[in-house]
Amino acid sequence: DTGVSQNPRHKITKRGQNVTFRCDPISEHNRLYWYRQTLGQGPEFLTYFQNEAQLEKSRLLSDRFSAERPKGSFSTLEIQRTEQGDSAMYLCASSLEWSGGVRTGELFFGEGSRLTVL
Amino acid sequence: TQLLEQSPQFLSIQEGENLTVYCNSSSVFSSLQWYRQEPGEGPVLLVTVVTGGEVKKLKRLTFQFGDARKDSSLHITAAQPGDTGLYLCAGLIGGYNKLIFGAGTRLAVHP
Repeated sequence: DTGVSQNPRHKITKRGQNVTFRCDPISEHNRLYWYRQTLGQGPEFLTYFQNEAQLEKSRLLSDRFSAERPKGSFSTLEIQRTEQGDSAMYLCASSLEWSGGVRTGELFFGEGSRLTVL
Repeated sequence: TQLLEQSPQFLSIQEGENLTVYCNSSSVFSSLQWYRQEPGEGPVLLVTVVTGGEVKKLKRLTFQFGDARKDSSLHITAAQPGDTGLYLCAGLIGGYNKLIFGAGTRLAVHP
């Protein structure tokens, strides 16, 4: 399977614990995105990488959140001192900056990592 | 405030009916996409439109991008239970590098 892979698929943790999610993008894609989705809402942008450089972070990404993409391949999203409000589906997506000469922004999503904070 | 407004939020119809969902904004988009998402899964890309007035067809699904590139619609003909899911529109604003998503239209098609 050459799609975007995320793990774990589900994580249940107690408030105050740290959690880490991993994303393996489509290998030829140079951009990697993290989004968060809560029930009844569309995905909300958190951050994105072009190769290994983190180029933009949303205001939603508090200082308890950190994302890395060492060597421009897989990425990790860590949440420290989790709060109940962090409960959500964390979606990773990858893309090419240009496709057919057009910057379309098309995203290819993984299946998501669902976080439940008790 | 949602940059992209989708309507209706919920739609429950019988198999065989036609439906249209809408995606509206006051912003101009350089491209707009429609995704379908099933419970517990990530969104799956259906189509990308980039030219104002563009119409694309995908079997029973017809997508239209507004002339001013501020709005889009998705029309499904003869809906089937397999069409059930959350339909999300997402736009790319020129000069930005991230997609902005609407809140989605949740469609349920009953046999």
